[in-house]
Amino acid sequence: EVLLSESGGGLVQPGGSLRLSCAASGFNFNDFALSWVRQAPGKGLEWVSAISYIRDSTFYADSVKGRFTISRDNSRNTLYLQMNSLRADDTAVYYCAKSGTGGNPHYSDYWGQGTLVTVSS
Amino acid sequence: DIVMTQSPDSLAVSLGERATINCKSSQSVLYSSNNKNYLAWYQQKPGQPPKLLIYWASTRESGVPDRFSGSGSGTDFTLTITSLQAEDVAIYYCQQYYSTRITFGQGTRLEIK
Repeated sequence: EVLLSESGGGLVQPGGSLRLSCAASGFNFNDFALSWVRQAPGKGLEWVSAISYIRDSTFYADSVKGRFTISRDNSRNTLYLQMNSLRADDTAVYYCAKSGTGGNPHYSDYWGQGTLVTVSS
Repeated sequence: DIVMTQSPDSLAVSLGERATINCKSSQSVLYSSNNKNYLAWYQQKPGQPPKLLIYWASTRESGVPDRFSGSGSGTDFTLTITSLQAEDVAIYYCQQYYSTRITFGQGTRLEIK
């Protein structure tokens, strides 16, 4: 069974940092791209970032580029999102998602339950 | 970035009737080398993560009821739910993955009339 479990969310002040983790199991972690998708309270889905399995190519939405860094540790089957210079509009549930096919970001066939990040003073 | 626009924003359909949700992309998501449309549909219920329904515009994910179907090509796509059931009340999103900078539509809220 494929499982994705996010952690690391919480309350942080504007300008602060957080690192999210996503522990994966039930599939060959090395063979799939992974993404972070967020959802602000009462709003729609916003893709944040993705990382391929090929040469660890990374991709970012303009809204987070230069502030967030995605990475993966294939030895620990874990995906990360380092979030710096956090702003109030980064407040959201952050989901980890597995690509359904191939090494580049595609559709996501499995999602975690999400972790809430709240940026507020 | 490719902009995905869904219509309508909300929809009320009677039980047993057909629901149709449209999605339009600002540029084609049809990859000519493999003739595949890089378009997916998701269902999200309150308090839950999104669930994949359809990928490659028309391929139903395993376990998804066959009352859900996807169609379209290029820039115009449709999600159709035939014979609406009470458990289909949710928000539906289209997503393009033609670009590695993935984008979602704004969502369509489906309710029972």
